[in-house]
Amino acid sequence: DGGITQSPKYLFRKEGQNVTLSCEQNLNHDAMYWYRQDPGQGLRLIYYSQIVNDFQKGDIAEGYSVSREKKESFPLTVTSAQKNPTAFYLCASSIDRDTNEAFFGQGTRLTVV
Amino acid sequence: AQSVTQPDIHITVSEGASLELRCNYSYGATPYLFWYVQSPGQGLQLLLKYFSGDTLVQGIKGFEAEFKRSQSSFNLRKPSVHWSDAAEYFCAVGLTGGGNKLTFGTGTQLKVEL
Repeated sequence: DGGITQSPKYLFRKEGQNVTLSCEQNLNHDAMYWYRQDPGQGLRLIYYSQIVNDFQKGDIAEGYSVSREKKESFPLTVTSAQKNPTAFYLCASSIDRDTNEAFFGQGTRLTVV
Repeated sequence: AQSVTQPDIHITVSEGASLELRCNYSYGATPYLFWYVQSPGQGLQLLLKYFSGDTLVQGIKGFEAEFKRSQSSFNLRKPSVHWSDAAEYFCAVGLTGGGNKLTFGTGTQLKVEL
């Protein structure tokens, strides 16, 4: 089945450690996105990528980094510079840049203690 | 920059009653409009979308939405709610003419009373 796979579903890390969240898609979509979700705030865009080896900052990129070495993969690293990293992270992809219709993964809940 | 407002944080309806969730957007041109649904701890599922043409769009699970340009609104409706519709609903706006960033509203939590 085609879709977007995020792993792991739950992730616990100690404060000060970097952590990488995985996102893989087999939909052959060009564009991929990372969103952060906090209660009562909706989804906020962290980074997005329209093609391989290219990505742009979203609205809340500080403390995060990404790479896009393969079309299928768009991992997100939450660095120690992120002041409040505990959140639900959602990865999405879309077939092209024009229609903006996004398909979402099941999310990763990151808890930093 | 575009913005999306969902004025109702929580809505409670009885099973079998009709439902309308409100969404207003702010954008200089006609945007792409979406409604997504999210069950607890899950990703988002697309309910319906509006790109152009007929302003009344049909989606999955019996939902529909109407685009009203004069009111900058894209309200979601369902004639008869089922208990399984309890979830959080997000309205989203995308830019036209290129660009691929979705702007989401803060969501409306729907509770269904049996």
